[in-house]
Amino acid sequence: DQQVKQNSPSLSVQEGRISILNCDYTNSMFDYFLWYKKYPAEGPTFLISISSIKDKNEDGRFTVFLNKSAKHLSLHIVPSQPGDSAVYFCAASDPYNQGGKLIFGQGTELSVKP
Amino acid sequence: DTGVSQDPRHKITKRGQNVTFRCDPISEHNRLYWYRQTLGQGPEFLTYFQNEAQLEKSRLLSDRFSAERPKGSFSTLEIQRTEQGDSAMYLCASSLRTSGIVDNEQFFGPGTRLTVL
Repeated sequence: DQQVKQNSPSLSVQEGRISILNCDYTNSMFDYFLWYKKYPAEGPTFLISISSIKDKNEDGRFTVFLNKSAKHLSLHIVPSQPGDSAVYFCAASDPYNQGGKLIFGQGTELSVKP
Repeated sequence: DTGVSQDPRHKITKRGQNVTFRCDPISEHNRLYWYRQTLGQGPEFLTYFQNEAQLEKSRLLSDRFSAERPKGSFSTLEIQRTEQGDSAMYLCASSLRTSGIVDNEQFFGPGTRLTVL
């Protein structure tokens, strides 16, 4: 039962353009969402998060949008840089019922080409 | 304190052997998590501690797996009688749980890659 889904295994974008990574979830009890970035042979690195009481959170080049009615969130990276090439995971938590654990999607591998 | 550390980074073992991994969280963090990641998948939750108390264990965690956090600081994850299906990246994360509704983000270590031959 995949509660968090990233349906695009890979994405290729030109440097300077926008990267949009998508994530869908099924559990309406999730109320906190996070994006992590992972380079090979390293652990995931936290990027940005959003609470369910918001629909947008911005941090520099990274913006996360949350559409609760559609159970969908997206990460926008503008402008994309070659150093952004990595695997991106979205994650969700339900602190009331599932404690602190995070439920991760399968990941999307982003490639930013110069 | 530079972040979450894990030891060893790589472990190769033969099927049936026992292995133990260590995680040192960020010093002021009271929550510690273990996840497992296989190729092409996101991290899957195994178990977590708040201070020294183990609050939840996933059904993924068979009886061959045991985790401890004896003094509420570092944690160990032991796998007994390893099987080839145990081959994965084992990730540790820590966070600071404060009063309030929303948990804070988890900071991950570099992981221990286990290969069972």
